[in-house]
Amino acid sequence: EAQVTQNPRYLITVTGKKLTVTCSQNMNHEYMSWYRQDPGLGLRQIYYSMNVEVTDKGDVPEGYKVSRKEKRNFPLILESPSPNQTSLYFCASSTLQQGLRETQYFGPGTRLLVL
Amino acid sequence: KQEVTQIPAALSVPEGENLVLNCSFTDSAIYNLQWFRQDPGKGLTSLLLIQSSQREQTSGRLNASLDKSSGRSTLYIAASQPGDSATYLCAVSSVNYGGSQGNLIFGKGTKLSVKP
Repeated sequence: EAQVTQNPRYLITVTGKKLTVTCSQNMNHEYMSWYRQDPGLGLRQIYYSMNVEVTDKGDVPEGYKVSRKEKRNFPLILESPSPNQTSLYFCASSTLQQGLRETQYFGPGTRLLVL
Repeated sequence: KQEVTQIPAALSVPEGENLVLNCSFTDSAIYNLQWFRQDPGKGLTSLLLIQSSQREQTSGRLNASLDKSSGRSTLYIAASQPGDSATYLCAVSSVNYGGSQGNLIFGKGTKLSVKP
């Protein structure tokens, strides 16, 4: 089954404790992206990647890191989490046709609480 | 900066009605526009994607149109059903913001409720 998986689905942590949220897709998609969703602010893009070893900042990259060493994986790293990073996080992927991003497929989300 | 607005923020209709959801964007230089639905507590499901060279896309009871010059898109839902109740989001990939067509800017959504 074609899908985007995220782990963990729920996470409670404390300020300053490094964490990684994994994202994996099995559709051989070139493009992957991370978003956060907050009440009243909607969905905002954090980072995206057009292919292996190619990453770029989205709207709200501060406090986050990403890497794309393999095509299927795109982990989101919070080196020193803070309470303002408490949010619902989504990973997404899509293929590229003639350089254009096609329909995005989203993971189920990771709910993060930073105390 | 590209801004995406969706009006209305919420909409309630009786079952069977045809309805239109609106999305507007401030910078007409876009690569594409995509419509999603989000069910409570769930992720997003892609509905339709319109590339900038296209005027509309259709899937079943859904039809999305794009008027790039006026910065508008509409999502038409025919013969609405209670199962259509969800939040509908539109998002654009902007040429002049973000450096490449990998960026995506979302509206805040329209929460649709279809009453039986």
